[in-house]
Amino acid sequence: DADVTQTPRNRITKTGKRIMLECSQTKGHDRMYWYRQDPGLGLRLIYYSFDVKDINKGEISDGYSVSRQAQAKFSLSLESAIPNQTALYFCATMGTRGPNTGELFFGEGSRLTVL
Amino acid sequence: SQKIEQNSEALNIQEGKTATLTCNYTNYSPAYLQWYRQDPGRGPVFLLLIRENEKEKRKERLKVTFDTTLKQSLFHITASQPADSATYLCALEYNFNKFYFGSGTKLNVKP
Repeated sequence: DADVTQTPRNRITKTGKRIMLECSQTKGHDRMYWYRQDPGLGLRLIYYSFDVKDINKGEISDGYSVSRQAQAKFSLSLESAIPNQTALYFCATMGTRGPNTGELFFGEGSRLTVL
Repeated sequence: SQKIEQNSEALNIQEGKTATLTCNYTNYSPAYLQWYRQDPGRGPVFLLLIRENEKEKRKERLKVTFDTTLKQSLFHITASQPADSATYLCALEYNFNKFYFGSGTKLNVKP
């Protein structure tokens, strides 16, 4: 099983619909992130969480919300999807102890298309 | 705001040669910088991390340099192989465990 699991992997929806992308991890990391990737723009930070009770906005948080349900779960919601939110979304985790400190571990991505 | 520049044009090299990718940044002095590999339709995979007080880091055929005066990192793959073909992303850490990413450079290694 993957260390960072994202669901769904692919989703097509219509403008105005509410969408939730889920992320779960088995690495025991405290830090979790949501990024979106668009061609030519690289990965841009949407939201991040350093702890269950710590949620912070990233560069492009407008139109998105998140929930950290547990240390292992971090979900991203689009309350009313719009076409320019069509993108590839990645969840990532990072630990703060041990030999892999500072490394981001990414999920396989959730491709969202908003028609 | 922070700006990270990676060559958007694909780098095409012959198998066995050394590939060199460049990452330039402005407006910030990161505590460390990372390189990731991304294959089509997959999530980025961590390769190397180099801190601001380190000039060079090596891992097998990979080498990263970090010049904080030039605000530049170079990523080298020696004895390149077709399996090294992928997009390589650089990322710099800012404001305590947040990361800016470049848009990546696609490497094509031809047999």
